[in-house]
Amino acid sequence: ILNVEQSPQSLHVQEGDSTNFTCSFPSSNFYALHWYRWETAKSPEALFVMTLNGDEKKKGRISATLNTKEGYSYLYIKGSQPEDSATYLCAPTISNFGNEKLTFGTGTRLTIIP
Amino acid sequence: DVKVTQSSRYLVKRTGEKVFLECVQDMDHENMFWYRQDPGLGLRLIYFSYDVKMKEKGDIPEGYSVSREKKERFSLILESASTNQTSMYLCASRTGGPSKETQYFGPGTRLLVL
Repeated sequence: ILNVEQSPQSLHVQEGDSTNFTCSFPSSNFYALHWYRWETAKSPEALFVMTLNGDEKKKGRISATLNTKEGYSYLYIKGSQPEDSATYLCAPTISNFGNEKLTFGTGTRLTIIP
Repeated sequence: DVKVTQSSRYLVKRTGEKVFLECVQDMDHENMFWYRQDPGLGLRLIYFSYDVKMKEKGDIPEGYSVSREKKERFSLILESASTNQTSMYLCASRTGGPSKETQYFGPGTRLLVL
C-alpha cells in the first residue's frame, strides 16, 4: 500500500482568499497523479491527471503542480468561492502496466467562509 | 456523459444479513472498483475488476466478495454483514489500459449495519 499524505486535513478559508494544500507520495516508480474534488452528497469528480515532473495544470481558478523527484503536488485555489467547499483527494499511481489501482490520500477538507 | 449508478443511496441491514451492493456503468469501461470511505481513512480499495469474470483483491478485501458477470455491472457482496462494515461505499469505473485514465464514481451507498 502506498503511503500518501495530504495536508492539512482541513482548512477554513475566507471567501475571496487564495489557498493551497499538499499531496505527498513516494517518488520511486511514479507514473501519474490524480486530483479529485468531492462535494458533499455528490460523487468524486476528476480535476487533473498529471504525469510529468514540472507539470502544471489549470482549470478556472484551480491549478496544480507536480514534483515527481521529491514526491509532492500542490493544489492552488485562487479567489476562493463558496462552491469550492469540498474534500480534495489526491491519488498517485506507480506503474504503467495497465489496469493498476489508485491509492487515495485521506483528503483535505476545504470550507469557504462567506 | 459517463454514468455510474449504484442501486441504493441508503441501506440499513442487520448483523449477519447477506448484503448486495450493485453498480452499473454505461460507458463500456473495462475496469471497475469498489471503495469504502470512513472518516479519517480516505477511500480504501476493497476489490477491483479489470474484465468480465476477473477480480483482484484491493487493500481491504476481508469480509467482502465481488461478482462481475457482465461488463457493465460489478456487485459487492457482504456475505454476513457486521457492524464494522457500516460505511459509505463507492463504486467507480474507468477505461482499461494505463492508470492515468480518469475514474468515474457513482453517488455512493451509505450502509448502516445494526
